[in-house]
Amino acid sequence: EIVLTQSPGTLSLSPGERATLSCRASQSVIRYYLVWYQQKPGQAPRLLIYGASTRATGIPDRFSGSGSGTDFTLTISRLEPEDSAVYYCQHSWTFGQGTKVEIK
Amino acid sequence: EVELVESGGGLVQPGGSLRLSCAGSGFTFRNFSLTWVRQAPGKGLEWLAYISRDSNTIYYADSVKGRFTISRDNGKNSLYLQMNSLTAADTAVFYCARALYSDYVYFDSWGQGTLVSVSS
Repeated sequence: EIVLTQSPGTLSLSPGERATLSCRASQSVIRYYLVWYQQKPGQAPRLLIYGASTRATGIPDRFSGSGSGTDFTLTISRLEPEDSAVYYCQHSWTFGQGTKVEIK
Repeated sequence: EVELVESGGGLVQPGGSLRLSCAGSGFTFRNFSLTWVRQAPGKGLEWLAYISRDSNTIYYADSVKGRFTISRDNGKNSLYLQMNSLTAADTAVFYCARALYSDYVYFDSWGQGTLVSVSS
């Protein structure tokens, strides 16, 4: 079973800054299996990225996904206050533990 | 607009049972696979169960296999999760979601969740 480890646990940045979130798999995975979700407090998760780098419908282009093998990255190019959330990666039926992004 | 609405959560005693429902609208329900995911208080997401469009393919997480049963009624646009032998560890918000699954899987629309609390 593949284990996904996300880092850092919490990221605290200012509006306009770039956020880089990591998702590391315990073994090499097929690239397009990697998925990212955003979950704001009190809300359900929302699909952000599937196939490692394809943005879901309505997702702003400041969100991008990349990576291959065991290392994948979600980048938020210019943080907005509404990006404050927990971000989860997923491979098959497994989720990472999440990275919390705080906006200063 | 795609909408998924869960219901059936509540307080149940350890060892008890509960049946969750999820009503879908805004899309052709029978054309989509569905799934249940839960989130314990303050914790991350845990996938629980998957059911294909025609109910012929069903998968469970090891943590719930033998205790939980996923089912659907396409005529009623409804998804279900029968949960038996509940313990405190099952306390969580339970989400239903639409599942896009070929050789990889992702969940493109989610309900708002229903809270299940297991306590005496």
